[in-house]
Amino acid sequence: GENVEQHPSTLSVQEGDSAVIKCTYSDSASNYFPWYKQELGKRPQLIIDIRSNVGEKKDQRIAVTLNKTAKHFSLHITETQPEDSAVYFCAASGGNTDKLIFGTGTRLQVFP
Amino acid sequence: DSGVTQTPKHLITATGQRVTLRCSPRSGDLSVYWYQQSLDQGLQFLIQYYNGEERAKGNILERFSAQQFPDLHSELNLSSLELGDSALYFCASSVDQGSNYGYTFGSGTRLTVV
Repeated sequence: GENVEQHPSTLSVQEGDSAVIKCTYSDSASNYFPWYKQELGKRPQLIIDIRSNVGEKKDQRIAVTLNKTAKHFSLHITETQPEDSAVYFCAASGGNTDKLIFGTGTRLQVFP
Repeated sequence: DSGVTQTPKHLITATGQRVTLRCSPRSGDLSVYWYQQSLDQGLQFLIQYYNGEERAKGNILERFSAQQFPDLHSELNLSSLELGDSALYFCASSVDQGSNYGYTFGSGTRLTVV
């Protein structure tokens, strides 16, 4: 079945630096790729998503890129702030499954 | 408030017991998904319902069952509870039977089995 791998599992950056989280998916028919942010003890919240007909999408300090040929997509956070500290999950769906398959998560820590 | 309501927020129970977790989806959403998140773990898909019918099943134990009612709320039943069942249980909803518009998660039910 569909599998989503996410790296790194933990990421520590200095405030103001950039952070990049990468995911790969196995089902070439997948066509929807959201990213969720989960703060400690809270629900996952959608922060940005991209569809397979688009290569890049940006929303203020957050951007997502998609490489369909290589079957990978990445989250880029620029000018990181302490409030960006959280666990980030990538996910993929479409093709042979209509449910979201989540990556294992990346714990991002932004140090002041 | 995301619009997805989960009750109760916290539940403490003993091993061997049975509990029911409840989820009301966001208004207009027809699909309900259940996920289990153990401590510092990822989101494990359990089961999906669409408009009252089971749509997809993940790694859901036989001790667990779920259903979606005509008013679209869903219940997840966990029986013969074990210590390892302690986790955050999230419900999510979406407007369609796929995920073309993403999921909206509820705030979760934290289950502690003692």
